Amino acid sequence: GAGVSQTPSNKVTEKGKYVELRCDPISGHTALYWYRQSLGQGPEFLIYFQGTGAADDSGLPNDRFFAVRPEGSVSTLKIQRTERGDSAVYLCASSFGGRDTQYFGPGTRLTVL
Amino acid sequence: AQSVTQLGSHVSVSEGALVLLRCNYSSSVPPYLFWYVQYPNQGLQLLLKYTSAATLVKGINGFEAEFKKSETSFHLTKPSAHMSDAAEYFCAVTPMDTGRRALTFGSGTRLQVQP
Repeated sequence: GAGVSQTPSNKVTEKGKYVELRCDPISGHTALYWYRQSLGQGPEFLIYFQGTGAADDSGLPNDRFFAVRPEGSVSTLKIQRTERGDSAVYLCASSFGGRDTQYFGPGTRLTVL
Repeated sequence: AQSVTQLGSHVSVSEGALVLLRCNYSSSVPPYLFWYVQYPNQGLQLLLKYTSAATLVKGINGFEAEFKKSETSFHLTKPSAHMSDAAEYFCAVTPMDTGRRALTFGSGTRLQVQP
């Protein structure tokens, strides 16, 4: 079946602009995760949804970052007033339940000029 | 709190040689441990995971890892490297028996396989 998909695959924006990154999880997966991977680093956790609610948002770096999952499927990561330091690959993962294997999407590469 | 240390950001082996990628973890509670592989322009793919059922874990593509509590290690091995194993490998940890589900990753080891 289809894996986790993320759109766009690449996003270039200017400092100060607003961006939205989309994640389509595997059908039937109730848990969804966002991670951020900077160059030369491992992924860092941002936020975890169980169903429609954010069960753990402890990894969001500041209030410019926000994520939603209104119907318990597709999720959108929103970044306001982007900064050059936000440049990274944003990864989405989903799992059947909270303790199951996380399956990762290919990521969205965000570049802030 | 959890953390993962991967010794060696780059490892180079010859085709057919043993692959050993090192991972040490720190966790205040018993951990689940994972190895993921990342090929260029692709998402992370799970190689194997330790969930306390057995200390020696076998994964895909001939890889295995052994959980050693006394050494707080979870090193990844493969007896004979193949050219297709060239990729970046990440060790990750998440705590058992808590509400936390997020993975904490190491900084990765890039494996090169020389012909």
